[in-house]
Amino acid sequence: DVKVTQSSRYLVKRTGEKVFLECVQDMDHENMFWYRQDPGLGLRLIYFSYDVKMKEKGDIPEGYSVSREKKERFSLILESASTNQTSMYLCASSNPGGNEKLFFGSGTQLSVL
Amino acid sequence: SQQGEEDPQALSIQEGENATMNCSYKTSINNLQWYRQNSGRGLVHLILIRSNEREKHSGRLRVTLDTSKKSSSLLITASRAADTASYFCATAYSGAGSYQLTFGKGTKLSVIP
Repeated sequence: DVKVTQSSRYLVKRTGEKVFLECVQDMDHENMFWYRQDPGLGLRLIYFSYDVKMKEKGDIPEGYSVSREKKERFSLILESASTNQTSMYLCASSNPGGNEKLFFGSGTQLSVL
Repeated sequence: SQQGEEDPQALSIQEGENATMNCSYKTSINNLQWYRQNSGRGLVHLILIRSNEREKHSGRLRVTLDTSKKSSSLLITASRAADTASYFCATAYSGAGSYQLTFGKGTKLSVIP
């Protein structure tokens, strides 16, 4: 079975902390994505990557950065967590070529206090 | 943003009935996809329909696409309690050498046993 694994299911952090959300996929996918999901707003794309060491900004990149040192791993970094970053974070991957179906992880529910 | 819009926001039906959800979008697309999300979990891909297709079936799912009206519908026939979930449409477009999949806000379906 194909798998996208997010390191934490639930995470509680304090304002100002640096937060790392890790995502690993075992499908040899070139494309990886980070979304956040908030009630009433749906899924919004934060960053995506279509190759190792490549990254592109999505719709809401402010306050976030990413790292893709290896093909299978895509990390989302909150440099200084704020309460408005409390959200469900979803990682996804897809085959090369773009516009193909996404495989999602189970999500990380992050609470910033 | 190219975000699609699902309609209705919430739908409650009896087991055995059919459920229809609609999605409208604003710009030209390469394909449109439907995903399902059980409460608090990641999204699961259901079906993809390309811009040159008008209808597609997968088991109890039927998807239609009308590119002239920029709309799609998802029909779930003979619904079951296990179909209770949120359903999202996602539009895929290419532009300026990059590609993104943009999600709507979802329809929350409740199937009452």
